Amino acid sequence: DAGITQSPRHKVTETGTPVTLRCHQTENHRYMYWYRQDPGHGLRLIHYSYGVKDTDKGEVSDGYSVSRSKTEDFLLTLESATSSQTSVYFCAISDPSTDTQYFGPGTRLTVL
Amino acid sequence: AQSVTQPDIHITVSEGASLELRCNYSYGATPYLFWYVQSPGQGLQLLLKYFSGDTLVQGIKGFEAEFKRSQSSFNLRKPSVHWSDAAEYFCAVGEDSGYALNFGKGTSLLVTP
Repeated sequence: DAGITQSPRHKVTETGTPVTLRCHQTENHRYMYWYRQDPGHGLRLIHYSYGVKDTDKGEVSDGYSVSRSKTEDFLLTLESATSSQTSVYFCAISDPSTDTQYFGPGTRLTVL
Repeated sequence: AQSVTQPDIHITVSEGASLELRCNYSYGATPYLFWYVQSPGQGLQLLLKYFSGDTLVQGIKGFEAEFKRSQSSFNLRKPSVHWSDAAEYFCAVGEDSGYALNFGKGTSLLVTP
């Protein structure tokens, strides 16, 4: 398995509170991604990063921000969580030697 | 606009029967094509991928997929399904190396005895 961890794995929070999800990789790959998974929608891209301090928006970026100050860490922040952000969040890395994305175990976030 | 379509939301097959899951895409050139599987409560595991070359690719767990450029399809097949294959299957497409993936909405596979 690719060396990707996500923390926390589960979180319950209240509407309006800030939440930060962490993705950590041990592979030293440049490309990292955040997706959300919702029933009937598959996985949708939130933000991605092509390197330290190099990030860009994906399809469903509203309400989310990201930061990447180190190669190994990619943080996803919900500045003020809403119930519509209840979802399972997956981080992924792209291995340039195989041109393949590998996924972390996911974080299940519930916003009450 | 670029899109990935998995026409079947749910599929039920008997154990031992053959399986085909459909995937169609809309992209300008030959994209990078993937199939992932997700067991309940788990992350995504890569089954197989196609970038170029032989249009029939073999993957893990006895799965294979065939790229058909004329039909913009990348269908997943397995000759004999096992109960452990029950899961959700996602087709995903990327424009090029390192690009984010565009996923289909998934096909949920149920295997009956």
